[in-house]
Amino acid sequence: KAGVTQTPRYLIKTRGQQVTLSCSPISGHRSVSWYQQTPGQGLQFLFEYFSETQRNKGNFPGRFSGRQFSNSRSEMNVSTLELGDSALYLCASGGTSGGTDTQYFGPGTRLTVL
Amino acid sequence: GENVEQHPSTLSVQEGDSAVIKCTYSDSASNYFPWYKQELGKGPQLIIDIRSNVGEKKDQRIAVTLNKTAKHFSLHITETQPEDSAVYFCAAGDTGGFKTIFGAGTRLFVKA
Repeated sequence: KAGVTQTPRYLIKTRGQQVTLSCSPISGHRSVSWYQQTPGQGLQFLFEYFSETQRNKGNFPGRFSGRQFSNSRSEMNVSTLELGDSALYLCASGGTSGGTDTQYFGPGTRLTVL
Repeated sequence: GENVEQHPSTLSVQEGDSAVIKCTYSDSASNYFPWYKQELGKGPQLIIDIRSNVGEKKDQRIAVTLNKTAKHFSLHITETQPEDSAVYFCAAGDTGGFKTIFGAGTRLFVKA
């Protein structure tokens, strides 16, 4: 089974721009979660989508948004980029494996805001 | 708010020794406790997880214990090898929706 894929792997943007990141979950998984990872703040939960609906949300400003499509692929959008948005953005695919729910991460998208 | 504390932040052991990482969580509704290993330039990789209905789980050299009353859980790695060197994250969440709160991470160094 193919793992979680994220595109692009690297992005460089300037302040004020917007960016869209993409995540394709493991086949059959219906949950996609997004996390921001920075050296200072660690791994922070952004939001989770399940069957095209946002099921959980972390404490991030409204500039961070997401959506999920009918094929479970998900996109995350960040508008009006700030320097502090520079981070590794990780997507995690969640589903049932061996009878229990499990979550797997993709390789991440490294976003640099100049 | 919900919080997961992880200790130590850095751990250095000699090859062949054991390593123990400890975490505590605050949300009593948490019922899913995964552990991830992250190597440089890669996303976190799930290495083991435990549900709240069991107190211990083992997979070869890795074991996790959970004490729901005290709200703490631990990762034990025995017979450590240099390739175990990485950052390890504990997490607590609810599989009713994957809102998982992560600890700050432990950087493990295994010296050959």
